[in-house]
Amino acid sequence: GAVVSQHPSWVICKSGTSVKIECRSLDFQATTMFWYRQFPKQSLMLMATSNEGSKATYEQGVEKDKFLINHASLTLSTLTVTSAHPEDSSFYICSAPRTSGDNEQFFGPGTRLTVL
Amino acid sequence: GDSVTQMEGPVTLSEEAFLTINCTYTATGYPSLFWYVQYPGEGLQLLLKATKADDKGSNKGFEATYRKETTSFHLEKGSVQVSDSAVYFCALTSNSGNTPLVFGKGTRLSVIA
Repeated sequence: GAVVSQHPSWVICKSGTSVKIECRSLDFQATTMFWYRQFPKQSLMLMATSNEGSKATYEQGVEKDKFLINHASLTLSTLTVTSAHPEDSSFYICSAPRTSGDNEQFFGPGTRLTVL
Repeated sequence: GDSVTQMEGPVTLSEEAFLTINCTYTATGYPSLFWYVQYPGEGLQLLLKATKADDKGSNKGFEATYRKETTSFHLEKGSVQVSDSAVYFCALTSNSGNTPLVFGKGTRLSVIA
């Protein structure tokens, strides 16, 4: 099946620093990728839709200046958490849909961000 | 908008017990339906899926049938194992392409020996 990778798998940073998370589709092209956030013991909440060649679309309540998304190529989307604070600590997960047939989405393994 | 409702957990079962996790949905059109599983500390893995009414998805002993008349996609397994302990998410996506998944809140399953 299709594979989506994320890097890093976990990161610990100091408050005020910026952290970049990469999401790559390894064996298929993804014009669209989705970024989700998951708080402990909760469901996934869609943050934004990353579109190759155009601006990302953010969900209501998500600060676009804080969570910068760049879809640099058909296989790479990055999420940068700028000026991170402890409340940004969370599990960030990306996914990419396969556009043929069944709309199945392939998820990255997630990135656990801890802001001290 | 589209939504997914799953039974609240946590669910605790003894090994070899029968499992049902209820899932109902609200959507326009004809969505595709999915069950994902998340093991502790890991990302989501697709467990099974169904793309049209009356389809049955199955994998690893788990089954779910797409019931359009009741807008349901209940997850079942006849005999659970300790290794099935995880969080299970019901989800849907519309069939218009490149749309995000809408998730239920997740149901935590603990299976004890």
